[in-house]
Amino acid sequence: AQSVTQPDIHITVSEGASLELRCNYSYGATPYLFWYVQSPGQGLQLLLKYFSGDTLVQGIKGFEAEFKRSQSSFNLRKPSVHWSDAAEYFCAVHTNQAGTALIFGKGTTLSVSS
Amino acid sequence: DVKVTQSSRYLVKRTGEKVFLECVQDMDHENMFWYRQDPGLGLRLIYFSYDVKMKEKGDIPEGYSVSREKKERFSLILESASTNQTSMYLCASSYPDRYYGYTFGSGTRLTVV
Repeated sequence: AQSVTQPDIHITVSEGASLELRCNYSYGATPYLFWYVQSPGQGLQLLLKYFSGDTLVQGIKGFEAEFKRSQSSFNLRKPSVHWSDAAEYFCAVHTNQAGTALIFGKGTTLSVSS
Repeated sequence: DVKVTQSSRYLVKRTGEKVFLECVQDMDHENMFWYRQDPGLGLRLIYFSYDVKMKEKGDIPEGYSVSREKKERFSLILESASTNQTSMYLCASSYPDRYYGYTFGSGTRLTVV
């Protein structure tokens, strides 16, 4: 069965430092890949997505992610973190199979220290 | 601005009650979804629908049912609420093309006492 793994439950980063959140998926082919962010008490907002082409994709709020087929990974990065980036981040995959829906990882909570 | 609106932000219900969670989208999306979010478990799919009057079971459908009588509205029904259904419920909608991703509502935090 398809699955998504986010190895880090909680990460703390200093404001201004760089950030990388890890995501690995299990699926035989290349799925559609997404990163969502959830601020406290809010729904999920789409940060970026990948489905084909250039393996480095740019998203909103200065985030980017790189798809690595050999590692089945889609890690999220940001060069300089702002205090407002503190939130929960979810990686999600959508396979090419009909009748399926987005499968989410368990999330990574990002704290930003001053 | 396009929206997915969940009718209640917070809800407290008693064990055994029949509970309705309502979700309305104004984007003319064909697909609608109900997820449950619990700490440490991420989002788990309860039910989804690709068209009016159609429904598909997700990963955790037990104890839930759904109704989609109109394209814009997707209701989640807890037939007899139990304390283990205390959770955050998130509704989402999307176009059929997976490329676009999903648009989420703000969620309903349900407490069953």
